[in-house]
Amino acid sequence: NAGVMQNPRHLVRRRGQEARLRCSPMKGHSHVYWYRQLPEEGLKFMVYLQKENIIDESGMPKERFSAEFPKEGPSILRIQQVVRGDSAAYFCASSRQGQGGYTFGSGTRLTVV
Amino acid sequence: GENVEQHPSTLSVQEGDSAVIKCTYSDSASNYFPWYKQELGKRPQLIIDIRSNVGEKKDQRIAVTLNKTAKHFSLHITETQPEDSAVYFCAASKAEGQNFVFGPGTRLSVLP
Repeated sequence: NAGVMQNPRHLVRRRGQEARLRCSPMKGHSHVYWYRQLPEEGLKFMVYLQKENIIDESGMPKERFSAEFPKEGPSILRIQQVVRGDSAAYFCASSRQGQGGYTFGSGTRLTVV
Repeated sequence: GENVEQHPSTLSVQEGDSAVIKCTYSDSASNYFPWYKQELGKRPQLIIDIRSNVGEKKDQRIAVTLNKTAKHFSLHITETQPEDSAVYFCAASKAEGQNFVFGPGTRLSVLP
């Protein structure tokens, strides 16, 4: 079992560009969560998705951020017109609902220059 | 919404001593409490969890206690080793598999 796969591991974008972060859940997991971690800070919930559905996006900024988890393929977190404040580590996690704590991927470290 | 506080923010102990990290939560509906360990530059890893129908759970050198009335839970690490050095996060959730609210983390340093 390959675990939760995130790519890229590191992403550098100039201000105003778009960032696309990908997450493939563990085999058999149909629930995906995205968290953001600023340097020296904790993990902040962004969005919770199941296949083709957004279950909870209460942690997502209202503008520029979107997420999807299509029927086929990985979950995508998309950040449009990135700003320096978007620089952070973005972690994806997956679970089978009701099966305990979830498993995190290795994260994507986004740097906006 | 839920708010999780965690203390201390940093903790240094001598190798072989015990370490205790405490968390409090605000939402009485929370009933699942995992603990994650994150080494520098790595992913958070689940080390132990506890459900609200249990007061204590132990796994080798790690134990977690839960006081639902007071809305606090604690992580206990005994016989600490240098490889225990990491940042530890507590979290609270209304159900397993739902989104977690994490505490701000405790940086544990185990000194040889």
